[in-house]
Amino acid sequence: AQTVTQSQPEMSVQEAETVTLSCTYDTSESDYYLFWYKQPPSRQMILVIRQEAYKQQNATENRFSVNFQKAAKSFSLKISDSQLGDAAMYFCAYRGLYTGTASKLTFGTGTRLQVTL
Amino acid sequence: DSGVTQTPKHLITATGQRVTLRCSPRSGDLSVYWYQQSLDQGLQFLIQYYNGEERAKGNILERFSAQQFPDLHSELNLSSLELGDSALYFCASSVEAGHSYEQYFGPGTRLTVT
Repeated sequence: AQTVTQSQPEMSVQEAETVTLSCTYDTSESDYYLFWYKQPPSRQMILVIRQEAYKQQNATENRFSVNFQKAAKSFSLKISDSQLGDAAMYFCAYRGLYTGTASKLTFGTGTRLQVTL
Repeated sequence: DSGVTQTPKHLITATGQRVTLRCSPRSGDLSVYWYQQSLDQGLQFLIQYYNGEERAKGNILERFSAQQFPDLHSELNLSSLELGDSALYFCASSVEAGHSYEQYFGPGTRLTVT
């Protein structure tokens, strides 16, 4: 079974600074997807960024980028120019490539990000 | 706004009761997933439907059941409710075609069992 580990329960960053959230995963599959979701106080789950395992290039979405290290099974999220609105719980998630039970998302325990002035 | 709708937003009920949570996926999405978010269990996958058929099951209790209707909306039925069933229940939908495998989440239904 796949597992996702987020070892940082809480992180803090100053506004306009850069912060990196860590995520490691365990899988025996060679092809899969990885995601970062943001959950603000409203509790809505918002997709931030995704990475396909077969792509070597790291995904980027505006101020959000990932550092995907397939061999190390590591998938960190970098937030640049942090804004107050980035304060939220961030979840790393894994999805297998194929259908059936592999379609489900397996989540880490989350990292709570605080953004200070 | 993800395009996924869930009703109701909040539900308060007593132990032993039965409730139904409803989800409408994004237009064009055939796949619906149900997840439970609780303080002690985190975010857990419950069940998936694809175009009306059950596709995968996760940690779903026998007291819980779901279905997806011809118009693709889905309902999650929770019966014989216990205090431990109090949680945030999310529905997510996905296209599941080509390379589009993102799951988009609804706003959730917060269930409180008293």
